[in-house]
Amino acid sequence: DQQVKQNSPSLSVQEGRISILNCDYTNSMFDYFLWYKKYPAEGPTFLISISSIKDKNEDGRFTVFLNKSAKHLSLHIVPSQPGDSAVYFCAASDTGANSKLTFGKGITLSVRP
Amino acid sequence: NAGVTQTPKFRVLKTGQSMTLLCAQDMNHEYMYWYRQDPGMGLRLIHYSVGEGTTAKGEVPDGYNVSRLKKQNFLLGLESAAPSQTSVYFCASSYPPGQGTGEQYFGPGTRLTVT
Repeated sequence: DQQVKQNSPSLSVQEGRISILNCDYTNSMFDYFLWYKKYPAEGPTFLISISSIKDKNEDGRFTVFLNKSAKHLSLHIVPSQPGDSAVYFCAASDTGANSKLTFGKGITLSVRP
Repeated sequence: NAGVTQTPKFRVLKTGQSMTLLCAQDMNHEYMYWYRQDPGMGLRLIHYSVGEGTTAKGEVPDGYNVSRLKKQNFLLGLESAAPSQTSVYFCASSYPPGQGTGEQYFGPGTRLTVT
């Protein structure tokens, strides 16, 4: 049973436009959510996170929105840049359970120049 | 700081052979993790450790063993490799819940092929 779902395997956007990456979860115990970015042949790197007590967190061009009632979060990248082309993983944690992360399958973002 | 390092970067094994993957971190993190990444499957937790001398099973532990004899090192062992264990293996480390940002720091990965 997949507890974190990234239903779109890929997304292509034009440079300068907004990229919106979506993620859904099923486990109501999840209270902390993270986005990771991964380039080929490298390990994932942390991008941004949000606690369940918030509905928005912003860091430069990256904003994560959390809708707890819908069990949905999204990552907005504005403006998108070619260097943002990577695989993006959504991850969720029940912080009361040893900080284990449950990852989605990832979405490949391509930003066209 | 080197962060999280993994040895080796690549390895090819024959079915039935054994090997150990080494993970080291210099951030004084209590928690360490081993994941595998397969196409279309995301990252799946194999084993993890919440401190020196402790280990626990993750989502896909079968066929693997781990040891955490020192706080900075986390070893992943394959006793009898199978083709189904062909994958990219990532090690990660983090602070315990409530400390830091909750993020896990990942190594660069080990690409293992079992023929």
